[in-house]
Amino acid sequence: IAGITQAPTSQILAAGRRMTLRCTQDMRHNAMYWYRQDLGLGLRLIHYSNTAGTTGKGEVPDGYSVSRANTDDFPLTLASAVPSQTSVYFCASSEDTANTGELFFGEGSRLTVL
Amino acid sequence: GQNIDQPTEMTATEGAIVQINCTYQTSGFNGLFWYQQHAGEAPTFLSYNVLDGLEEKGRFSSFLSRSKGYSYLLLKELQMKDSASYLCAVSDSNYQLIWGAGTKLIIKP
Repeated sequence: IAGITQAPTSQILAAGRRMTLRCTQDMRHNAMYWYRQDLGLGLRLIHYSNTAGTTGKGEVPDGYSVSRANTDDFPLTLASAVPSQTSVYFCASSEDTANTGELFFGEGSRLTVL
Repeated sequence: GQNIDQPTEMTATEGAIVQINCTYQTSGFNGLFWYQQHAGEAPTFLSYNVLDGLEEKGRFSSFLSRSKGYSYLLLKELQMKDSASYLCAVSDSNYQLIWGAGTKLIIKP
């Protein structure tokens, strides 16, 4: 039973470097999401995708890009990392695209940008 | 603006009952979620309320009052494994999820 798999689990990155966080789900869910979680703040949506081939911007999209070439994969790319992007990143999926159903989360990717 | 308020931290005793409150101010309402998140782990779904009233699921219950913009999560017969953060989230009129910062629940023996 896999659900959602994220990689890497943790990474230390120099500022200015490019980084891709990988996310794969095996539940055939339509919707996928990338969130960041910072101490004292609620989860903040970065980007989302309601179906393969489409993506949308969330609350904090600047500095991040995503793609959804197929149903299962939803990678998040930081083109040029900055220290403010130090965070824990969670990928999530749901069968429901209207945010009225359960979200399934990956185990998270802890990213430190120095 | 849209806002979800939860207490930052609560402490309770093993075997007791605790109520975690969540108040919200959002543009529209399409349901309220509670998630549990153990330290260093992913959030996991606990409950979803879209109509007023109490939903019971084992030791956990969730209550919603839409007119008051208020929900609570009630945990009974507390166990040490219930030590975690509890996240409240509301689906707004655009079906976007607005998340609270979470309530860290500490259970003492």
